[in-house]
Formats: sequence, structure tokens, C-alpha cells
Amino acid sequence: AQRVTQPEKLLSVFKGAPVELKCNYSYSGSPELFWYVQYSRQRLQLLLRHISRESIKGFTADLNKGETSFHLKKPFAQEEDSAMYYCALRAGSYQLTFGKGTKLSVIP
Amino acid sequence: GAGVSQSPSNKVTEKGKDVELRCDPISGHTALYWYRQSLGQGLEFLIYFQGNSAPDKSGLPSDRFSAERTGGSVSTLTIQRTQQEDSAVYLCASSQQTHSGAQYNEQFFGPGTRLTVL
Repeated sequence: AQRVTQPEKLLSVFKGAPVELKCNYSYSGSPELFWYVQYSRQRLQLLLRHISRESIKGFTADLNKGETSFHLKKPFAQEEDSAMYYCALRAGSYQLTFGKGTKLSVIP
Repeated sequence: GAGVSQSPSNKVTEKGKDVELRCDPISGHTALYWYRQSLGQGLEFLIYFQGNSAPDKSGLPSDRFSAERTGGSVSTLTIQRTQQEDSAVYLCASSQQTHSGAQYNEQFFGPGTRLTVL
């Protein structure tokens, strides 16, 4: 069975500092990885997916199959980045397996 | 158009009572999902509906939980004889038609129903 691990419940960084939200997964096949974000009082929404290899709101994430990781990075954190971030895995079906989430707090 | 809507937004009930949670998916979305978000936990998959196919109920935690989807649109999640451990935010999501192994179709989430069992 697949599993997604986000080791940090809370991550606090200063505005302008680099951010890295860690995500590790366990799956024997070729997964699809996603990052979802939930801003305060807003609904959960897709931030980015690894197959798109895109940068959204300055965030990027690279799938590292050797390390089974999909860390989310941003070089300069902004206050508006404060939110809950969830890493999710799709293992060849419709079902998503989510990590427990990391709360990012950007200190002004 | 409107996104996924859920009602009620908040529900407080007493232990042992039954509750019904409603989800209205995005028009035209044939796939519908229910998740549970407990305090300090990630999103836990509960059930999946796709068109007229039999639902995937593999995530339902007990036989007290059931869900139906009428007319391929609105869905109702029912929890019978609620327990305190059922307290959580219940999220509904919908997506365009999706098939196993096919390209992922983005799931759009509703605002959730916060259930509190006293």
C-alpha cells in the first residue's frame, strides 16, 4: 500500500527566506505526485503536480524517485504563502493518498 | 460556474444520533469523492462514485457509514449512531470522468462540513 509522509507539522520561516516543505512517499510503482494547499478559510486546491513540471506562485517540486521524495520549494517566502500544504500521491487509479499536512507560517 | 458546495457547513450532534451530509458537485463532473479530515491527520479517502458504476466504498471506516448519489449528481454521506471519534471535517470533491490508469483529472474540493459529536 502507498503512503505519504510529511515529517513537519509546522514550519516557520521569515519573509524572504527560502522554504522547503518535505514530502516522502512509499510506493513500488510509478506514482503521480501532487501538492495541495489550503489557505485560511478557503477550500483545498491543487497547487502543482509533478508531471507538469511547472512553477506556481514561485513554488516548484521535483520528483526524486531515488529518494522517493517530492519536496516543495520556494526561494523567497511571502506572507501570503502561509497555509496548510498537503502532499498527495496517485498510484495508478483515481484515488489520492494524502500526507498529514504541514502548516507553513511566514513571519513578517 | 459554481464550485462544489456542501451542507451544512457545521453540524453539532449528540453521540448516537444519525447525521446526513450533502454534497453538490460541479455540474458535468461525473466523479465524486468523499474524504475525512480529522484533527492532526491528513485527508482520509472514504468513498468514490463514478457515473453509474458501483461505488468504491473501500475507505469507509465502519458499517455505520454509507453514501449514495442520486441521479449521478448530488451525494449524501450518512453516519449512523455517531461516535465522538467521528468528529472531523468531511470534504467532498468532484472531477471530470476519470478511469483507472488514465490521466489524472483534477479534483475540486468543497468547503467541507465540520461535524462535532458531543
